[in-house]
Amino acid sequence: DAGVIQSPRHEVTEMGQEVTLRCKPISGHNSLFWYRQTMMRGLELLIYFNNNVPIDDSGMPEDRFSAKMPNASFSTLKIQPSEPRDSAVYFCASRSTIIDQPQHFGDGTRLSIL
Amino acid sequence: KQEVTQIPAALSVPEGENLVLNCSFTDSAIYNLQWFRQDPGKGLTSLLLIQSSQREQTSGRLNASLDKSSGRSTLYIAASQPGDSATYLCAVRGNTNAGKSTFGDGTTLTVKP
Repeated sequence: DAGVIQSPRHEVTEMGQEVTLRCKPISGHNSLFWYRQTMMRGLELLIYFNNNVPIDDSGMPEDRFSAKMPNASFSTLKIQPSEPRDSAVYFCASRSTIIDQPQHFGDGTRLSIL
Repeated sequence: KQEVTQIPAALSVPEGENLVLNCSFTDSAIYNLQWFRQDPGKGLTSLLLIQSSQREQTSGRLNASLDKSSGRSTLYIAASQPGDSATYLCAVRGNTNAGKSTFGDGTTLTVKP
C-alpha cells in the first residue's frame, strides 16, 4: 500500500512568495491532518478535514495560511505571502474513520523561507 | 485544553537495557493514546495505539500502558538496541473517534552499542 505522499520534499523560496504544499492521503482514509513541526514549538496541528470538510482550523496561525481538500485524494496547504518564521517541516497525515485506527504520516515537506 | 508532557526530553542508555518512557496528560477524557517513533528527517511511524478502555498494548519488545485516571502512559522497551535510537512521541486523541490529537514534545532516545 502506498503511504501518505507529500510534495515537494524540500522547498526553498524567498519571503513574499506563494508556497503550495501538496498531500495525497492513503486511499480510503476519511480524515486528513496538516501539522507543522519546529524545534521551538514541537508538532502543532494546523487544520484537519473529515470527508473533505474542514472540521477544526483553529491551529492555522494567520490568514496567510489556507488549506483545501477538493476531493478525497488530494489536499493543499498554501502560504501567501510567506515569511521566514514559516520555515518548518510540514506534515500531512491521514486516518480511517473506522474506530480506533492510527494516523499515518507522510515524510513531510521541509520549508525554508529566506 | 489538553496538555501532553513527556519526560525526560532525552535519554541515553547502553545497548541491552530495558527502559521506560513517560507521557502524562491533563484531561482524562480521552478516546485513545498513540505512541509514535520519529527518525531524523522522517515522518512519524505509529508504534502502538491504546483504546481508552484498555490498560496496555504489546508489539514485540514494546509494551505501552495507559492509566486514564492518573493521566499517564508509559512505553516500555525491552532489551534496547542501537536501532531503537529515535524520538518517541505520544499523542492523545480527544474523546470522540473524530477528535483531534494533541502531541507531546517527545523523548529522544540514544542506545549506545
